[in-house]
Order: sequence, then C-alpha cells, then structure tokens
Amino acid sequence: GQQLNQSPQSMFIQEGEDVSMNCTSSSIFNTWLWYKQDPGEGPVLLIALYKAGELTSNGRLTAQFGITRKDSFLNISASIPSDVGIYFCAGRGNRDDKIIFGKGTRLHILP
Amino acid sequence: DTGVSQDPRHKITKRGQNVTFRCDPISEHNRLYWYRQTLGQGPEFLTYFQNEAQLEKSRLLSDRFSAERPKGSFSTLEIQRTEQGDSAMYLCASSSQPGLNRYTFGSGTRLTVV
Repeated sequence: GQQLNQSPQSMFIQEGEDVSMNCTSSSIFNTWLWYKQDPGEGPVLLIALYKAGELTSNGRLTAQFGITRKDSFLNISASIPSDVGIYFCAGRGNRDDKIIFGKGTRLHILP
Repeated sequence: DTGVSQDPRHKITKRGQNVTFRCDPISEHNRLYWYRQTLGQGPEFLTYFQNEAQLEKSRLLSDRFSAERPKGSFSTLEIQRTEQGDSAMYLCASSSQPGLNRYTFGSGTRLTVV
C-alpha cells in the first residue's frame, strides 16, 4: 500500500531558527496536507496543497507540493515556543477517498 | 460551529470488555472518518462514512470493531472483547468537501486496556 516517509523524526532547534521538514511517498499523490498535533489533542490542519509545484504560505509556515507529486516540504521561519509539537504530512492518492499520514516530525525548541 | 466532539476523552477498560466511543461531527459535514493513533505513530485510517453509508473499511478494522452512523449525524465505534493491543488514541474527523480533504479532527478518545 501507499506509504509516507517523513523526515527528520525529531528536531532540536533554538528559538528563532528556521525549520525544514519533508515527506516522500512511494506513489503519486493528488493532495498534500500538513497538520500539527499538540499533546492530548487531535491534529490541526496547517496547509493544504492541491497542484504539483504549488507553494502556499500560512503566516510563518510555507509548504510546497513537489513537481514529481511524490514529495512535499514544510518550512517554519523564525520559530517560537508555541511551534513545539508534532508535525504530520498527509496525502491522498489517485484512487483513494481518504488521507494517509506520515509518522511525524517532533519539533523541540531549546530556550 | 463547535467543532468535532468526541466522548469520552479517556477510557480505561479491562481486557475482554466491550467499549463504545461516540463522535459528533461538525453539523453540516457529510463525511466522517475514524482513525487510530498509537504512541509515536501517525494516525492510521480505520473507516469512513458518507452520510449514513459506510464506504470503506481498513484491514485494521478486525471483526471485533464495528462503526455506525445511523442517521448520518453522530457516529459510534464499538470494540468488542478488547485486547491490550487496542490501546490507542481513537480520532474522529469530518469534512464537507471530499475533494479538498480538509479534515477537522476531534480531540480523540484515549483507550487504555489493562
């Protein structure tokens, strides 16, 4: 079945640094999504991407839908303490009606 | 719009007992999804409904699991004869525009089987 490989698994950064994480799939996706999950809560949608090459921003967050349709990245600029959490990429393939998730990137911010 | 509501938030049960979880989606959303999330993993798809019709079930959904959405509004997920491996966060999500895949998730039900 389809799989998403998300990297890195975890990141330790200083407040104010920029962050980059990415996701690759074994097959072509029609939709890429990035979610953030705080402890004990459900994931919250950050950015949705629908076209190959699409670059979309949401405040300090920027995400891109890869040209090959098999990858996506998420950048966070000037990180702040509330950016701490788990970031998940998710995608939908051609023949699917549901989205599948990567294993997440855990972001830690050092004071 | 009160978001997606899940009840209970936490459930501790003994192995072999049956448990039932409830999800109330956003009222105008016709699609409802159930996912399961274990520690350190991303959410894994279990099943989804369009209105009251259950359209897809994952192989993860063994015979002990059953989900219903009788009137196309709230949904229930029942696990019979619970096993320790069923311990997980059970997440419900809803959406109104299937093509956009913009799911709104609830806060989940944390199940612990002892």
